[in-house]
Amino acid sequence: DTAVSQTPKYLVTQMGNDKSIKCEQNLGHDTMYWYKQDSKKFLKIMFSYNNKELIINETVPNRFSPKSPDKAHLNLHINSLELGDSAVYFCASSPGGGQGSYGYTFGSGTRLTVV
Amino acid sequence: AQTVTQSQPEMSVQEAETVTLSCTYDTSESDYYLFWYKQPPSRQMILVIRQEAYKQQNATENRFSVNFQKAAKSFSLKISDSQLGDAAMYFCAYMNRDDKIIFGKGTRLHILP
Repeated sequence: DTAVSQTPKYLVTQMGNDKSIKCEQNLGHDTMYWYKQDSKKFLKIMFSYNNKELIINETVPNRFSPKSPDKAHLNLHINSLELGDSAVYFCASSPGGGQGSYGYTFGSGTRLTVV
Repeated sequence: AQTVTQSQPEMSVQEAETVTLSCTYDTSESDYYLFWYKQPPSRQMILVIRQEAYKQQNATENRFSVNFQKAAKSFSLKISDSQLGDAAMYFCAYMNRDDKIIFGKGTRLHILP
């Protein structure tokens, strides 16, 4: 039973389209995150949610909108996709509340390719 | 702002040998956590080892150990008896009490048979 699951694993789409990536965790964690890994493998945080509340919102274009219907789910919706959005997007979770000393549990990533 | 620096973009080591990956970080905090994550070609992010800053004792996990120098803000990873399965990207990471992890740019480790 996967702890943090992301769907889809691969996504190929055309410029200008709107797409969503879903993430679910069954660890009972309070905090969830989205990270972007670019072509040079650099990992950068985009958003974090704690129990459905937005906590971290890094400098990310408004075309990216996270949505957390409950604390076990954090989805990422991307409008008007651009070539530069091509990357691997990772979802992760942690207990939160300063209890993240064991780090995050990551999903397996979604490779987004915009053509 | 906190930063994490990995100065070795790539390294190679002979199978069964020992290799050390370097990491330095910058912070004004006294309470934080440090991690090493491994990312094999499967792209899964795997936690290798963690260190709590208030603990002076260096963490070890089987063949993996760290050299944590708090004053120098250094956190290197030593892999002993390197195996082919250790080939991967290794990321050094820092986390404050705010639970936000900042990653270094990674070191790609090659294992030579």
